[in-house]
Amino acid sequence: DAEITQSPRHKITETGRQVTLACHQTWNHNNMFWYRQDLGHGLRLIHYSYGVQDTNKGEVSDGYSVSRSNTEDLPLTLESAASSQTSVYFCASSEGGSARDEQFFGPGTRLTVL
Amino acid sequence: RKEVEQDPGPFNVPEGATVAFNCTYSNSASQSFFWYRQDCRKEPKLLMSVYSSGNEDGRFTAQLNRASQYISLLIRDSKLSDSATYLCAVLTGGGNKLTFGTGTQLKVEL
Repeated sequence: DAEITQSPRHKITETGRQVTLACHQTWNHNNMFWYRQDLGHGLRLIHYSYGVQDTNKGEVSDGYSVSRSNTEDLPLTLESAASSQTSVYFCASSEGGSARDEQFFGPGTRLTVL
Repeated sequence: RKEVEQDPGPFNVPEGATVAFNCTYSNSASQSFFWYRQDCRKEPKLLMSVYSSGNEDGRFTAQLNRASQYISLLIRDSKLSDSATYLCAVLTGGGNKLTFGTGTQLKVEL
């Protein structure tokens, strides 16, 4: 079955380190998204991509970067991790053919920055 | 004002009750609307898309009120298994970006 996976599921890192969170989908979806979820803020969009080589900034993109070299993967990099980036990170994908396309979410990565 | 607002709850209801949540959005140009369900420490999953005429799926009914800029979710005959957080999401502008509300927590009790 097609799916969307994230790795690692849990990560503890130190302030200042570079961290990369992986997202992989096997639906051949054009659109991929990264969100963070924090208490009181809900899901906030970090970066998104509508296809290979396309990347766009979302609402809370500072300190994060993404690259889309193939259809299946959209890794999220924290250039220099900060304690404010402690959060749960969700990756999502959608087909991209319609405004009503469902976004499918990965299981999430819980990141702690000490 | 936030783009998408929800009452965080929690809504504590007895099993079998009917409960309704509202979600307001600020951009009148918003095009598509969705309700997602999120269980504790899990990923959100689509519950329903919201169409202009309203739509129903079993015990769940979603409606859109463009004049007042809100969407609603009605759950009839609540089950214990309905306990979760319900997120509304609004698509605005071009592309497929969604803006999510902070979610409404529902607790169904015996």
